[in-house]
Amino acid sequence: DAGVIQSPRHEVTEMGQEVTLRCKPISGHNSLFWYRQTMMRGLELLIYFNNNVPIDDSGMPEDRFSAKMPNASFSTLKIQPSEPRDSAVYFCASRPGQGSTDTQYFGPGTRLTVL
Amino acid sequence: SQKIEQNSEALNIQEGKTATLTCNYTNYSPAYLQWYRQDPGRGPVFLLLIRENEKEKRKERLKVTFDTTLKQSLFHITASQPADSATYLCALSNSGYALNFGKGTSLLVTP
Repeated sequence: DAGVIQSPRHEVTEMGQEVTLRCKPISGHNSLFWYRQTMMRGLELLIYFNNNVPIDDSGMPEDRFSAKMPNASFSTLKIQPSEPRDSAVYFCASRPGQGSTDTQYFGPGTRLTVL
Repeated sequence: SQKIEQNSEALNIQEGKTATLTCNYTNYSPAYLQWYRQDPGRGPVFLLLIRENEKEKRKERLKVTFDTTLKQSLFHITASQPADSATYLCALSNSGYALNFGKGTSLLVTP
């Protein structure tokens, strides 16, 4: 298995532009998570899907952020418009089941820089 | 508010010694706690899960303890090696669904 796949690995954009981050979870996994990591705040949970349905989006910082999971093998995180404070590494993770005793498998991350 | 606190200062130890990392939490009542390892430029990788009734769990050179009274977990690496150098994150959940992570402690093992 290729593991969780994220694209792009690096994104540099200018303030005000739309950014779309993509994730392909491990096949057969039921849960998908988007995290953001910065030095100041560490690894923050943004949103969590179970069986393609958003369960908890309380971590999404504001309306500029949106996430979708149209099917079991694909999810997107969109920032529109982007701002310099959105610069961070964004991780996608998937998990086989619903319970938090299950291991989460992380992708390699997308490093976003907003100028 | 809920907090997961790990030593922010890097831990430097000599090869062969035991490294001990601490995770403290407040306003959580977790039934289990997980530890992850993160290398630079990579996503976290799962290491161990410990349940509240287990008190201690071992995997090769790794040992984790979980004290729900103290609200603390200790993570030990015995006979440490330079390859153990990484950031170690603890994670737990109140909801039973999504994990929340500490900021991690950086470990550097020198030859």
